[in-house]
Amino acid sequence: AQTVTQSQPEMSVQEAETVTLSCTYDTSESDYYLFWYKQPPSRQMILVIRQEAYKQQNATENRFSVNFQKAAKSFSLKISDSQLGDAAMYFCAYRVNTGANSKLTFGKGITLSVRP
Amino acid sequence: DAGVTQSPTHLIKTRGQHVTLRCSPISGHKSVSWYQQVLGQGPQFIFQYYEKEERGRGNFPDRFSARQFPNYSSELNVNALLLGDSALYLCASSLAQAISYEQYFGPGTRLTVT
Repeated sequence: AQTVTQSQPEMSVQEAETVTLSCTYDTSESDYYLFWYKQPPSRQMILVIRQEAYKQQNATENRFSVNFQKAAKSFSLKISDSQLGDAAMYFCAYRVNTGANSKLTFGKGITLSVRP
Repeated sequence: DAGVTQSPTHLIKTRGQHVTLRCSPISGHKSVSWYQQVLGQGPQFIFQYYEKEERGRGNFPDRFSARQFPNYSSELNVNALLLGDSALYLCASSLAQAISYEQYFGPGTRLTVT
């Protein structure tokens, strides 16, 4: 079965500090993309960052970066200079290119709180 | 440009009733996917449509059905509602089906079954 595991249900970080959210995944496919989504209390699912599995270089988007370890099937998100607005649920997900459909498979999510 | 829109925002139904949820994709997007998000969990894939054809179905009972219209909007129908169907239903649209095309999510419809 193809799965995404986020083992930490909750994390807390001090404003301006750095936090890392962990994620592991399991897929037998070779062509896939990995994602981190943010879901604030407003419920809108927002794409934070994505990583193409064929790329060795880790993706970065401003204060957000990933550590992609393909052999270990690990995909962690690092948030630098944490801000109050970063408080939300974060979901790790992937999409595989099966030719049939391109669904997103999500983990259970992690609740991130930011302390002022 | 307007993002993905969903209607209604909230609704409350009784067990055994039927419900129809609606989604309008971003203009130009031809693929629509539906996800169910139970409280405290990650979204689960229900359906994907592309060019008005069903391209994928998740592990959901036949009570769940969907369709996509010529203008690429979509409906999700759920019959014989159960308490366990209470969830946030998310719609996502993308230009096409390939994984290189980002899926943009709507704000969701919160369904409560009593």
